[in-house]
Amino acid sequence: IAGITQAPTSQILAAGRRMTLRCTQDMRHNAMYWYRQDLGLGLRLIHYSNTAGTTGKGEVPDGYSVSRANTDDFPLTLASAVPSQTSVYFCASSVQGEGTGELFFGEGSRLTVL
Amino acid sequence: GQNIDQPTEMTATEGAIVQINCTYQTSGFNGLFWYQQHAGEAPTFLSYNVLDGLEEKGRFSSFLSRSKGYSYLLLKELQMKDSASYLCAVRDSNYQLIWGAGTKLIIKP
Repeated sequence: IAGITQAPTSQILAAGRRMTLRCTQDMRHNAMYWYRQDLGLGLRLIHYSNTAGTTGKGEVPDGYSVSRANTDDFPLTLASAVPSQTSVYFCASSVQGEGTGELFFGEGSRLTVL
Repeated sequence: GQNIDQPTEMTATEGAIVQINCTYQTSGFNGLFWYQQHAGEAPTFLSYNVLDGLEEKGRFSSFLSRSKGYSYLLLKELQMKDSASYLCAVRDSNYQLIWGAGTKLIIKP
């Protein structure tokens, strides 16, 4: 089934550890995004990529890094996790420049930092 | 600053009609989206409005007034499976999405 795959779906992590959340899409969308979702807050953009080889900072980029080596993959890395990074992380993709540009979301990665 | 406001929670009865409002203040406007998110799941696209007026899609309709910075999502013939959070998002002049916190809709039999 075409779509976006995230891994892991859930993870408990000790503070200070490094963690990479994986995201792969097979829809050939040019744009990809990482959001975090916390209770009572709207989705907040961490980083985005408009096309392979380029990335940009979103609203809350500190403590996170991304890379976009190819069209399909967009991993998110926490270099040294802190408890405030406990959240649900959603990867999304879209086709920019065509249609509505609606986002397609992965199933999410629930991360707990202790 | 940029802001999206929508009610935190609403309750409605199965078979009834409910209207979820969204007001926004953003730097420019390039479209408004509604997404549905069931508990523990990913958001899924419901509707898109870029021009004023009503867009109808089955039991769901979405309305936009750009001059008032206002939209609503209308759900008719409510079903139990419509229990979910409904997210309003506006694309600003930089083509970035600004998200509301979501409205949790509870459907009672």
